[in-house]
Amino acid sequence: DTAVSQTPKYLVTQMGNDKSIKCEQNLGHDTMYWYKQDSKKFLKIMFSYNNKELIINETVPNRFSPKSPDKAHLNLHINSLELGDSAVYFCASSQLTGDGYTFGSGTRLTVV
Amino acid sequence: EDQVTQSPEALRLQEGESSSLNCSYTVSGLRGLFWYRQDPGKGPEFLFTLYSAGEEKEKERLKATLTKKESFLHITAPKPEDSATYLCAVGAQGGSEKLVFGKGTKLTVNP
Repeated sequence: DTAVSQTPKYLVTQMGNDKSIKCEQNLGHDTMYWYKQDSKKFLKIMFSYNNKELIINETVPNRFSPKSPDKAHLNLHINSLELGDSAVYFCASSQLTGDGYTFGSGTRLTVV
Repeated sequence: EDQVTQSPEALRLQEGESSSLNCSYTVSGLRGLFWYRQDPGKGPEFLFTLYSAGEEKEKERLKATLTKKESFLHITAPKPEDSATYLCAVGAQGGSEKLVFGKGTKLTVNP
């Protein structure tokens, strides 16, 4: 199946821990994104990579570090997790033609 | 700063009762206006892109329209399976692929 896949789907961890979320797309898209959806369902961009190059870096704490080993993969590493980091994190991809994104199914992160 | 405001926040309809969702936007040069559908526990699913005022697109019971300040998603004779949160987003001109999303309208269609 052609898709954007994220792992894990659920992540429960304690404050202060470090965790990673992985994303892979097999759509051949050039650009990948991380979005955060808070408890009010508001989707906000965090990062974007185009062919392994960081092109968007919104106002996100330095504890969040994206990495793109190749244009099909975009991972998100989070250091020193805080309660406020609890949210659903979505990976997405698109072609640079400007059409809609394809989203993954999300990773629900709960920090306790 | 680019902004998207959706109304109403929630809408309850009876099956077959047509209605419209509103998306008002301000953007520094519109690259495209996007509509997505999001089901609980899933990622948003792309529905439409509108690029210029006057443009309309249809898919089954959904029709999206665009003016210079807002977009409407018209739902004709909805069915319970149309229940979802509908998200509107805008992309600005200037090379960035970033989308700015509204908070969505949660639609419930009762049988």
